[in-house]
Amino acid sequence: EPEVTQTPSHQVTQMGQEVILRCVPISNHLYFYWYRQILGQKVEFLVSFYNNEISEKSEIFDDQFSVERPDGSNFTLKIRSTKLEDSAMYFCASRNTGLAGETQYFGPGTRLLVL
Amino acid sequence: DQQVKQNSPSLSVQEGRISILNCDYTNSMFDYFLWYKKYPAEGPTFLISISSIKDKNEDGRFTVFLNKSAKHLSLHIVPSQPGDSAVYFCAAIKETSGSRLTFGEGTQLTVNP
Repeated sequence: EPEVTQTPSHQVTQMGQEVILRCVPISNHLYFYWYRQILGQKVEFLVSFYNNEISEKSEIFDDQFSVERPDGSNFTLKIRSTKLEDSAMYFCASRNTGLAGETQYFGPGTRLLVL
Repeated sequence: DQQVKQNSPSLSVQEGRISILNCDYTNSMFDYFLWYKKYPAEGPTFLISISSIKDKNEDGRFTVFLNKSAKHLSLHIVPSQPGDSAVYFCAAIKETSGSRLTFGEGTQLTVNP
């Protein structure tokens, strides 16, 4: 069964460093998402991406964050200058169509720790 | 963001019995409600969904009930199995919102053999 994959599974970085989290969505999917879950908190929406541009972003997704689909398979989340509060589990998700009732398929997540 | 709320952080049931997980929401504009299951070190896995125009959807051992007047939904698992032990997230979506999922806090279900 096709699945969303994410690399790395864990990332430790120093505050102020740039990190790039990578995702390979399911191959025929057209809509891509990033969510994050800070330890002990809810899963929160960050950004959605369709047709090579951001569809929507949350208030969390400030100028420190960017997303890119550099080729036909990868979808990346870049954090330019990490802060301690960026420590979280980051999930990538994808889905095939824009129908609201269609499920989003999630990857296993990248655990980011900012020291 | 308190639009979707799961008030019970944990639930423990015996194998074979019914598990009932609850979720409340405040935004009447949500079009769909979804339940996801999450095991440790994995991403959320879709379980079942329901349109806001329905009041029940069933898939095998899983049934979701929606009470729009109460802004409440519940997930019933019958019979519960030890493999069902996981964190269950309620989520909601609006068609006009860019398809973002709004999640509840999650409920840790433990099914005891």
